[in-house]
Amino acid sequence: QVQLVESGGGVVQPGRSLRLSCAASGFTFSSYGMHWVRQAPGKGLEWVAVVSYDGNTKYYADSVKGRFTISRDNSKNTLYLQMNSLQAEDTAVYYCAKELSRGTLDIWGQGTMVTVSS
Amino acid sequence: EIVMTQSPATLSVSPGERATLSCRASQSVSSNLAWYQQKPGQAPRLLIYGASARATGIPARFSGSGSGTEFTLTISSLQSEDFAVYYCQQYNNWPLVFGPGTKVDIK
Repeated sequence: QVQLVESGGGVVQPGRSLRLSCAASGFTFSSYGMHWVRQAPGKGLEWVAVVSYDGNTKYYADSVKGRFTISRDNSKNTLYLQMNSLQAEDTAVYYCAKELSRGTLDIWGQGTMVTVSS
Repeated sequence: EIVMTQSPATLSVSPGERATLSCRASQSVSSNLAWYQQKPGQAPRLLIYGASARATGIPARFSGSGSGTEFTLTISSLQSEDFAVYYCQQYNNWPLVFGPGTKVDIK
């Protein structure tokens, strides 16, 4: 079945880096745009970044621009989020999500928790 | 950046009753509006896209309407599994923006 599984979350000190991964299965990964969305504890959803099906087009939320990099490896059916210069405000559950069509997110992973704390 | 607002913040409804949730955009998003449902400890689930099209497997009691800046999600007869938080999201422009959510709880 269609599935997204995130990994790589954990506890990290402010200013450090972390890389999240999202393994996709059950669909043709290379045909769809992919997103990261995060949710701080007890808060709403915040869109983070998108990468096009071929990896050539990327957009970011202003809150992460210049610090986070989204990428994908279509040969491995895997999406990544490289997070640098992490701040306490980046503490959240990070979800990867597949596009149904531009900007609509029809399949979501279970999320991976990132905690930025000293 | 487009700002999305939702009202009410909390909606208390009895099972079997109708629920009407509102979403407003700070500028026109045409029909590029989606609705998601999220239950505690779970990932969001796509309900509606294109303002009114139900996603695969979504029951007919969920319906969406509106265009431009004003949108509505209606749940015609609330079932126990429908008590959750509902988010609207615009995808007319980058960045994608979610509304703050409406919590539907049991009256």
